[in-house]
Amino acid sequence: AIQLTQSPSSLSASVGDRVTITCRASQNIDNALAWYQQKPGKAPKLLISDASLLATGFPSRFSGSGYGTAFTLTISSLQPEDFATYYCQQFNNYPPLTFGGGTKVEIK
Amino acid sequence: EVQLVESGGSLVQPGRSLRLSCVASGFRFGDYGMSWVRQTPGKGLEWIGFIRANSYGGTTAYAASVEGRFTISRDDSKSIAYLQMSSLTSEDTAVYFCTRLGGDGTGYYFPFFDHWGQGVLVTVSS
Repeated sequence: AIQLTQSPSSLSASVGDRVTITCRASQNIDNALAWYQQKPGKAPKLLISDASLLATGFPSRFSGSGYGTAFTLTISSLQPEDFATYYCQQFNNYPPLTFGGGTKVEIK
Repeated sequence: EVQLVESGGSLVQPGRSLRLSCVASGFRFGDYGMSWVRQTPGKGLEWIGFIRANSYGGTTAYAASVEGRFTISRDDSKSIAYLQMSSLTSEDTAVYFCTRLGGDGTGYYFPFFDHWGQGVLVTVSS
């Protein structure tokens, strides 16, 4: 199974900060990576698919990049509503579909 | 608006069975693959399995941790996806989410999860 390693597992940032989250795959997954945002007590929401395609409803301050084994999720200017946990998920080689361990973005 | 509403979660004893249901609305259910994902505090998000649209054979795939114990099925006439769980253990305690696989509405699927239900809690304990 392909393993996804997210870093950091948590971070503290201020409103307006640029935030970068990394997801590394244990083997090549081309661009078959999705990102999800989850707020406390809520279901995850699809944020990005195909490594860089922003899902409907999310603002352009969110962006994704990467190919192969290294991927990043960037929030260009953190807003109060962005404090959440973010997960990556690979869909290149399955079963199983696998998720990263998550990155919790907290208020500094 | 796409909506997925799970039901059937409960407290169940180890070794017993339980069936979860997911009622879908707001899209042509039969044209999409459906999947179940669970979440525990200790293990994060874990994919359980999916069922393809019938136009793609209606076939299923499962995670190794549930293969042979869990079965996903669908009733396109009612727009419902099911997760039948058997031989439950404490390791199956989690919030279970019904999800829709990404797709273009033709039955072709992309194995990520573009819509999620609110989740339902399953607790396995004596």
